Amino acid sequence: LAKTTQPISMDSYEGQEVNITCSHNNIATNDYITWYQQFPSQGPRFIIQGYKTKVTNEVASLFIPADRKSSTLSLPRVSLSDTAVYYCLVGDRDSSYKLIFGSGTRLLVRP
Amino acid sequence: DARVTQTPRDKVTEMGQEVTMRCQPILGHNTVFWYRQTMMQGLELLAYFRNRAPLDDSGMPKDRFSAEMPDATLATLKIQPSEPRDSAVYFCASGLGTGVADTQYFGPGTRLTVL
Repeated sequence: LAKTTQPISMDSYEGQEVNITCSHNNIATNDYITWYQQFPSQGPRFIIQGYKTKVTNEVASLFIPADRKSSTLSLPRVSLSDTAVYYCLVGDRDSSYKLIFGSGTRLLVRP
Repeated sequence: DARVTQTPRDKVTEMGQEVTMRCQPILGHNTVFWYRQTMMQGLELLAYFRNRAPLDDSGMPKDRFSAEMPDATLATLKIQPSEPRDSAVYFCASGLGTGVADTQYFGPGTRLTVL
């Protein structure tokens, strides 16, 4: 079964770049790696998704090495409103239907 | 702005009672997911459907939980009988795609408290 590992928590300051890495072995070879953001009392919200190399949108970048055994979410110039929990999501290589959410990284952005 | 809706938003019940949670996925989405979130266990996938057929329900306690999609606009999660350890926030999400990790759109959740 695919397994994901993320840091439990990270601290940063406003204006800094934050990189959160998720390690994921045994992931599906033909499926996306997706990241979500969750604020208290809300459901997770889609941030970014990629298959390989680098993807960038208006809020984040996602770096995926060729072996796809990890992915790094990069948040440029974080603000206080980026304080949230960030999850990676992958599919399992051995089961075409298995879906694995990471345990989440709690990011605290300080003034 | 299309959204996933869930009812009820909050539910307090006594142990042994039946609980039914409902979800209306975004119109046109073909995949519906049910999750449970607690402080101790984090976000757990209970079950998900594609085109109304169950694809994976291995995360769901079969003896007391059941999930169905009576039609494409309604998904239900039922607990019978409920137990205090079922207290959690239950999220429904929907998506459109053929992959497992396609983008999901989450509802606001149902906060369940079993006394």
